[in-house]
Amino acid sequence: DQQVKQNSPSLSVQEGRISILNCDYTNSMFDYFLWYKKYPAEGPTFLISISSIKDKNEDGRFTVFLNKSAKHLSLHIVPSQPGDSAVYFCAASFQGAQKLVFGQGTRLTINP
Amino acid sequence: NAGVMQNPRHLVRRRGQEARLRCSPMKGHSHVYWYRQLPEEGLKFMVYLQKENIIDESGMPKERFSAEFPKEGPSILRIQQVVRGDSAAYFCASSPAQGQDQPQHFGDGTRLSIL
Repeated sequence: DQQVKQNSPSLSVQEGRISILNCDYTNSMFDYFLWYKKYPAEGPTFLISISSIKDKNEDGRFTVFLNKSAKHLSLHIVPSQPGDSAVYFCAASFQGAQKLVFGQGTRLTINP
Repeated sequence: NAGVMQNPRHLVRRRGQEARLRCSPMKGHSHVYWYRQLPEEGLKFMVYLQKENIIDESGMPKERFSAEFPKEGPSILRIQQVVRGDSAAYFCASSPAQGQDQPQHFGDGTRLSIL
């Protein structure tokens, strides 16, 4: 039962362009969402989060958008840089539970 | 400025042996979480602990797996009588307090291989 889904296993983007990573969820109890970035042989690194009371959160080159009615969130990276090449995980949690539910990840490759 | 420290980074065991994975949280963090990642999959929650207490073990297999976070020392994830299916990357995370606005910070994981 995959409650958080990232349907694109991989994405390739030209350097300087916008990268858009998508995530869908099925559990309407989720009310907090996070994006993590992971390099090979390292642990996930926290990037940005959003509460369900908001529909947008921005931090530098990273913006997360939340569409609750569609149960969909996206991460925008602009401009994309070579160092952004990594696997990106979407994660969700709900009030009262500390555990994170992760998607399967999307491998982002930034081409020079 | 140490982050979450996990050791060993790589662990090889034969079927039937025991595996012990250690996790030292970031300084000032008293909440520890363990996740498992199988190849080409996302991380799956296993257990959430505070000092000397297991808060949520809903993701732990019913048999062979146990976790502790003693008053002194690192958190330990213990797998008894390992089987091939236990081969995975095991990640530990920590946070300073309870609350969704306290992002979990991850270690670099222990890669467990079962021969």
